[in-house]
Amino acid sequence: AQSVTQLDSHVSVSEGTPVLLRCNYSSSYSPSLFWYVQHPNKGLQLLLKYTSAATLVKGINGFEAEFKKSETSFHLTKPSAHMSDAAEYFCVVSGLRRGYQKVTFGTGTKLQVIP
Amino acid sequence: DAGVIQSPRHEVTEMGQEVTLRCKPISGHNSLFWYRQTMMRGLELLIYFNNNVPIDDSGMPEDRFSAKMPNASFSTLKIQPSEPRDSAVYFCASSWDRVTGELFFGEGSRLTVL
Repeated sequence: AQSVTQLDSHVSVSEGTPVLLRCNYSSSYSPSLFWYVQHPNKGLQLLLKYTSAATLVKGINGFEAEFKKSETSFHLTKPSAHMSDAAEYFCVVSGLRRGYQKVTFGTGTKLQVIP
Repeated sequence: DAGVIQSPRHEVTEMGQEVTLRCKPISGHNSLFWYRQTMMRGLELLIYFNNNVPIDDSGMPEDRFSAKMPNASFSTLKIQPSEPRDSAVYFCASSWDRVTGELFFGEGSRLTVL
C-alpha cells in the first residue's frame, strides 16, 4: 500500500521567516518522493525530488527537503519565505506496482506569506 | 524543449454537450496521466497510460468519460454528455521513467459546464 499525508492544509508565515511543510508517507517498497508547487491558475511544477541518493535534497527557489526513513517523513523547508512562495504545495510518492508506475498525491498545503 | 501541451486552455459549454480535451506529451515520454482538480475533491487521477495502453482507469468517474491514446504523441479525454459537476481543471502529465519518474504537467484545461 502507498499513501501520503500532508499534515497541514494551510500554513501561514511572515515574509522572511522559515517555512516548514510537513509530509509523511507510507510505502511497502523504496519509493521516490517529490514536492510540487502550484501557483494560482497554473499547472504543477516540480520543486525537488528524492530518488534514493542523498537524503537531503535541494530544489529550486531555495527549498529543500530531508528524507527520513525512520520517521517516514519528507518535510519541505525554506530558511526565509518570500511573497512569491505563496502557493499550494503537494507531496507526492511514486513507486512501482505490478511493474507500472503508481503515483500518489497528498491533499496539498496552501502556504500564505504575510508581508 | 516544449513541455506538455494541452488544449483548449478554457472551455465553456452547456450541459449535454460533448467535450474533448487534448494532450500532447513530451516527446520520448512513455507514460501519460489525466488528472482532474476541483476545490472539493482536490487532485484525482482519472486514467494512466503506459506505452499508449490504459493501465489504470479506475478513476474514470463513469461511462460518460472516455480517454484514448492512439499514438505516443497524442491523447484525448472526452466527456459525453457533459454535466455541471464535470466543471474542473483537467491536467495532463507525462513521465519517462516508471521507477523514479517525475511527472511533467501541462497548464491544464479549465472546463465550465453551464
